[in-house]
Parts: sequence; C-alpha cells; structure tokens
Amino acid sequence: DAMVIQNPRYQVTQFGKPVTLSCSQTLNHNVMYWYQQKSSQAPKLLFHYYDKDFNNEADTPDNFQSRRPNTSFCFLDIRSPGLGDAAMYLCATSRLGAGQGATASYEQYFGPGTRLTVT
Amino acid sequence: GDSVTQMEGPVTLSEEAFLTINCTYTATGYPSLFWYVQYPGEGLQLLLKATKADDKGSNKGFEATYRKETTSFHLEKGSVQVSDSAVYFCAQNKAAGNKLTFGGGTRVLVKP
Repeated sequence: DAMVIQNPRYQVTQFGKPVTLSCSQTLNHNVMYWYQQKSSQAPKLLFHYYDKDFNNEADTPDNFQSRRPNTSFCFLDIRSPGLGDAAMYLCATSRLGAGQGATASYEQYFGPGTRLTVT
Repeated sequence: GDSVTQMEGPVTLSEEAFLTINCTYTATGYPSLFWYVQYPGEGLQLLLKATKADDKGSNKGFEATYRKETTSFHLEKGSVQVSDSAVYFCAQNKAAGNKLTFGGGTRVLVKP
C-alpha cells in the first residue's frame, strides 16, 4: 500500500560527512519534491523534479543536491552536513499536466520523512 | 507574493469539543486550497481540498469551504477525538509548477 517510501526513517551522520537520503514512489507521478522541516514548522521546499527537469529554489544552499535516476526514485545528497541541517526531510510527489499551460492542480502525496541528526 | 496565514497554536480542547482553525490566503489568480495533517513523527497527509470558490472539502468529520470573498479556508470539526491531536497545515497552490505555499501550522491537543 505504501505510495511514497523514504529510507531510512532515522539517519545519524557526523558533522561534515556526506549523507544521502532516498525516496521512492509507486504512484508513477512525474513530479517529485524535497522539503526540509524543522520543529513542526511549515515544510520548506528545497527543489523539485518535473520528470528529469531539475528546479532549485533560489534560497536552497549549494550544500544540498539531488538526483533522479528514473521516475520512481529520487535522492537528496547533503555534501557537508552542518548542525543546522538537522531536520526532518520530506519527499512528496504529484501529477502535473504537460506543459506550462496546465490548468489542473493536483495534491501532493508525502512520504513519512527521514529525521536527520548531525553529531 | 502568495502567502497563507493560519491561527497560531497550540489549541487545547476537550474530547467532543468543536474545533475551528482559521486560515486566510493571499494570491494572484485562483489557487487550490488544502488542509494537511501531520501526526507526531510522521509525514504530511492530505486531509481535504477545494479547487474553486464555494467548494466544500470534507473528510473524517472535518470540513472547510473555499470562500473567495473573504479569502479564507477555515477548518472545522464538530466533535474532536484524542486521535485528532496533530499539527494542521493550511496550504495553497497554483497549477503552474504545482508548488505549495504553507501556513505556519497549528498544533491541536485534544484531552480526554
């Protein structure tokens, strides 16, 4: 039944040690998103993929990178985690109509999140 | 720019009480509106949505009506349960890009 799966659920990494979080989906949605959420604040969008087209938010630090090797999988790479990067990382997916003129608006489906601790 | 404002919590209620969480939005054009719920330690779940003015979204006893004239999408439930304790997020999006703009979240605690 799981539609958006995130692994691991809990990740501990050391300061400055690269870490990768993974997300997979069984919905065949063409859009995948990565959010950062701290202390029950609103999720903050880091970037999203529309198919293979990568879209970075203007204020996302360069320390955060992403890969989407195929429709089902998307990865979040943190190259040099700092203490301030400790947070819950949420993956989400949605459909989106083809082209910029799409008029339909679809909900996003979220995974359970990965809680990252930086020691 | 587009924004969503919702009442700050925490909101503490007794079981079977009436719940209202206010949400207002600013947007150019006509966004879709959503309520998401987040239980402790979990991701966000879509609770309900409305895509045009006067639409009413409903699910699990929760309701919200898209009010264009007051730019609001208030969440209501007539009789809350302990299991409704969670953080509730109001959000809007537009078709272009399908990116969500969230409110700050409202923590609700229901006591037996």
